[in-house]
Amino acid sequence: KNEVEQSPQNLTAQEGEFITINCSYSVGISALHWLQQHPGGGIVSLFMLSSGKKKHGRLIATINIQEKHSSLHITASHPRDSAVYICAVDSNYKLTFGKGTLLTVNP
Amino acid sequence: KAGVTQTPRYLIKTRGQQVTLSCSPISGHRSVSWYQQTPGQGLQFLFEYFSETQRNKGNFPGRFSGRQFSNSRSEMNVSTLELGDSALYLCASSLNTQGGAETQYFGPGTRLLVL
Repeated sequence: KNEVEQSPQNLTAQEGEFITINCSYSVGISALHWLQQHPGGGIVSLFMLSSGKKKHGRLIATINIQEKHSSLHITASHPRDSAVYICAVDSNYKLTFGKGTLLTVNP
Repeated sequence: KAGVTQTPRYLIKTRGQQVTLSCSPISGHRSVSWYQQTPGQGLQFLFEYFSETQRNKGNFPGRFSGRQFSNSRSEMNVSTLELGDSALYLCASSLNTQGGAETQYFGPGTRLLVL
């Protein structure tokens, strides 16, 4: 079993829909990161969180440390949100990554 | 501020050769991490450096090595290249002033093709 599990692997949505991507992990962590990768490779850090909830624009990230689970929500999705979303757990200066969720938002 | 820069951006090598990749962090950032991304394995951690010291290393063979200089710039080296080393190599930097987890800023990557 991988240390970091993401679901779903692929997600197709219509513009405007509410989207949820889930991440579960099995190790102790100091923080969890949500990353976005567009075609071509560039990776952008969306959130780093160690407890509770963070919001940035239409994106919301939550984490439950006791349940070892995090979710990334996108409200009012838009085609420009189409990308791979990657969850990574941070422990002892090392990131361990989930396999990513390929999100496609159709107009 | 300029972002994380990596050179070269693209590289073609043959099996058995060695390669050195370079990463310049954001000015003031002292931590540099390296990652390998392949279609099959996804993103995997290679190593992390802070103030010229390697603080953690991923599960890669000894052919993969790295170092960090006093100006925080970092290099990674892969010796005796294998076909399976073909990948996108990414570096990321962070301030790491408090010693805990911090937001990482990724470079554009170096795409290595081993023939």
